[in-house]
Amino acid sequence: AQTVTQSQPEMSVQEAETVTLSCTYDTSESDYYLFWYKQPPSRQMILVIRQEAYKQQNATENRFSVNFQKAAKSFSLKISDSQLGDAAMYFCARTSGNTPLVFGKGTRLSVIA
Amino acid sequence: EAGVAQSPRYKIIEKRQSVAFWCNPISGHATLYWYQQILGQGPKLLIQFQNNGVVDDSQLPKDRFSAERLKGVDSTLKIQPAKLEDSAVYLCASSLLEGSGYTFGSGTRLTVV
Repeated sequence: AQTVTQSQPEMSVQEAETVTLSCTYDTSESDYYLFWYKQPPSRQMILVIRQEAYKQQNATENRFSVNFQKAAKSFSLKISDSQLGDAAMYFCARTSGNTPLVFGKGTRLSVIA
Repeated sequence: EAGVAQSPRYKIIEKRQSVAFWCNPISGHATLYWYQQILGQGPKLLIQFQNNGVVDDSQLPKDRFSAERLKGVDSTLKIQPAKLEDSAVYLCASSLLEGSGYTFGSGTRLTVV
């Protein structure tokens, strides 16, 4: 089975500080896409950032950036200048042309004022 | 653009009863997904539709779960009869293109007592 592993069940960060959430994945395909989703208590999954595996450059969206290491099959999310509104569950996910989104178990992020 | 609509938002039923969930995807999104998210876990795919045809239902417990997508737009997911372990959030999502990321609805929280 092609899996996504998030090894940190919970993380916390001080407001305005930086935090990194880890994700590793398993795939036999060369072309695929990686995502980080945020799920607040409202339950709606919100797309945070997206990375195409064929692109060397790491994706960035405002305060959110990724460190994509293709050979290591690692895809970590860095949140800079953390805000109280960043508190949520964060899910790493992978998809390809042949398979729909497969999610990790998630990391619960707390932001301390 | 309007998001993915789901109803009901909450449902409580007794075991062995039946329940149905409804989803209206984003207009023009050909692909629709139903995911099951058990508390503390990441979402797990139940079924994927492309227009009104089933692409992947390998993880759908077909002895009790059924889903349809009439006319390639709205979809319903049914459970009959429900078991205690079906208690979960049921998420509907839709996508336009491969790798573009999915847009999720707010989900239905099902409690089976």
